[in-house]
Amino acid sequence: AQKITQTQPGMFVQEKEAVTLDCTYDTSDQSYGLFWYKQPSSGEMIFLIYQGSYDEQNATEGRYSLNFQKARKSANLVISASQLGDSAMYFCAMLGGGYQKVTFGTGTKLQVIP
Amino acid sequence: EAGVVQSPRYKIIEKKQPVAFWCNPISGHNTLYWYRQNLGQGPELLIRYENEEAVDDSQLPKDRFSAERLKGVDSTLKIQPAELGDSAVYLCASSPRGKGYEQYFGPGTRLTVT
Repeated sequence: AQKITQTQPGMFVQEKEAVTLDCTYDTSDQSYGLFWYKQPSSGEMIFLIYQGSYDEQNATEGRYSLNFQKARKSANLVISASQLGDSAMYFCAMLGGGYQKVTFGTGTKLQVIP
Repeated sequence: EAGVVQSPRYKIIEKKQPVAFWCNPISGHNTLYWYRQNLGQGPELLIRYENEEAVDDSQLPKDRFSAERLKGVDSTLKIQPAELGDSAVYLCASSPRGKGYEQYFGPGTRLTVT
C-alpha cells in the first residue's frame, strides 16, 4: 500500500517570499514517482513538477522545486518568490505500483498575502 | 490543442436517480482516469483505462458505479442509483502512455445529490 501525508491544512506566505509545503510518503516500492499539482479555486488541476525515485538531483521547474529526501521519505514543494496567483490548493501525489497506481494527499491550502 | 473535456459541469439530482458523466480526453492519450474529489480532500482514483481496457477499478463501487470507454477514446461514468454520499466533484484526466505523473485534468463535474 502507498500513502501520502500532507500535515499542513493551510499556509500563509508574504508575497515575494519563499514557502515550503510538506509532503511525506510511505511505500514498499523501490521505483516510484512523486509529483505536485496545483488546484486554484476554479477547480482545474495543474501539473507542477515530478521527481523519480532514482533521480539524483532535485527537480526544478521555474519557481517550483521539489526537495526530495529519500531516507526521510519526504518530497516537499518549494515555491520561490511567491505571487498572488500562487494562492491555491496544492496536492502531493505518488505514482507507484510499477508506475501504475496514483495516490493523492489531502492537500495544503496556500494563501499569498500582499 | 484542446484539453480534456467533461460534461456536464454541474448536475443536481435526487437520491436514487441515475446520473452519467462524459469525458473526452486529449487526442492521442491512451490512459484515462476517473477520480472522485470530496470537499476538502484530494482526488481519489475510481478507475483507470489503458485504451479501452479497465486496468485498475479496485476503488470503483461496483454495486452502483459503472464505466466504459468504447473505442478507447471517450468515456462515460455512471451512477445508478445515486446516494447522498455521492455528492462530489468527478474529475476525468488523461495522460500519454507511460507518463502517469503527467496527467491533464478536465474541469470536473460537480454532482449534488439531494
